[in-house]
Amino acid sequence: AQKITQTQPGMFVQEKEAVTLDCTYDTSDPSYGLFWYKQPSSGEMIFLIYQGSYDQQNATEGRYSLNFQKARKSANLVISASQLGDSAMYFCAMREDMIYNQGGKLIFGQGTELSVKP
Amino acid sequence: NAGVTQTPKFQVLKTGQSMTLQCAQDMNHNSMYWYRQDPGMGLRLIYYSASEGTTDKGEVPNGYNVSRLNKREFSLRLESAAPSQTSVYFCASISLGQRIYGYTFGSGTRLTVV
Repeated sequence: AQKITQTQPGMFVQEKEAVTLDCTYDTSDPSYGLFWYKQPSSGEMIFLIYQGSYDQQNATEGRYSLNFQKARKSANLVISASQLGDSAMYFCAMREDMIYNQGGKLIFGQGTELSVKP
Repeated sequence: NAGVTQTPKFQVLKTGQSMTLQCAQDMNHNSMYWYRQDPGMGLRLIYYSASEGTTDKGEVPNGYNVSRLNKREFSLRLESAAPSQTSVYFCASISLGQRIYGYTFGSGTRLTVV
């Protein structure tokens, strides 16, 4: 069964520094996708970045990059040049069966609360 | 604006009452999902609908029922609400193509059962 684990309940980072949020996963499906979402205090879920299991390169989206280590089953989110507005809860999620696109389940980790200090 | 619309945004129920949470998307997405979010537990999948006419159980389906009314709408029903169902409920949708933009979430329904 698919499983997602985020072991850092809370993280602090100084403004303008980089921070890495950890995510490990478990699946027996060779075709899967990994997602990161941001949830600010207002409550909405904001999609940040996606990595497919067959993607050759690590995903990047602006200041966000995904450190994908397939053999270790980890998909850590790296935020460069942290900003005060990055303070939020961050969720890692995984979906199996990406090839056939049959609307598979997206399963979430417990989340990491990031606080950016001025 | 295109997106996922959930109603109501807030609701207080008494134990034993029933209610239906509504979700509609106007992005022509095939798949729709219902999650609940409790403190310290992330989002847990209740039910999902891979396509119009199909529904499947997620991680925590007990106490809930769903209906995929048409391609746009996916409702979640609590037949006899319990305090343990106090939570924030999110609806989400997606259609996967060449470019993955992620699942689109509604703004949530905050439900309190007293």
